[in-house]
Amino acid sequence: DAGVTQSPTHLIKTRGQQVTLRCSPKSGHDTVSWYQQALGQGPQFIFQYYEEEERQRGNFPDRFSGHQFPNYSSELNVNALLLGDSALYLCASSLWDRDTDTQYFGPGTRLTVL
Amino acid sequence: AQSVTQPDIHITVSEGASLELRCNYSYGATPYLFWYVQSPGQGLQLLLKYFSGDTLVQGIKGFEAEFKRSQSSFNLRKPSVHWSDAAEYFCAVAEEGGSYIPTFGRGTSLIVHP
Repeated sequence: DAGVTQSPTHLIKTRGQQVTLRCSPKSGHDTVSWYQQALGQGPQFIFQYYEEEERQRGNFPDRFSGHQFPNYSSELNVNALLLGDSALYLCASSLWDRDTDTQYFGPGTRLTVL
Repeated sequence: AQSVTQPDIHITVSEGASLELRCNYSYGATPYLFWYVQSPGQGLQLLLKYFSGDTLVQGIKGFEAEFKRSQSSFNLRKPSVHWSDAAEYFCAVAEEGGSYIPTFGRGTSLIVHP
């Protein structure tokens, strides 16, 4: 049973560019959440998708957008990249209808903005 | 808003020694509490969680944590540390009910000396 997978593993972009990160949830999960983890910090919640809709959003600008596909996989898009967007981006999956379910995290995508 | 404080940025212990990592949270109602571990280049793995009931929670890899409402704490303990426990440890808190989103502390880096 595959866990949460993310691609690519590493990515290098320059300021002003756009980037797309991808996530496949754990088998059987229908909810995907995205987090940004800056160096030396804990993960910060970006947004959560269920039934192809954004359900909750953290304190991130509109440059951060996402999408969920019918197979529950998800993409995170970041436009007009800034140096401060350099971070590890984590995807987590869970079940929507279980309040106390656990989020399972993927290994992350390391984004470097030059 | 909920918040988590992990007062120790780094903790150094000798292999075989006992371990306690501190976590204090701020939240008005009964919190959901978590401890995650992150090894270098890896995503987050859930060690244990507290939702309700017994305030002493057993987790994987020999870890346990105790919820103390009066102290707003959820400290992580292990009686005998192994070299493979060296990693980053994150405490997190989430609101009761709903599709919870955990708020993470900044983490404690555990260094294990042989």
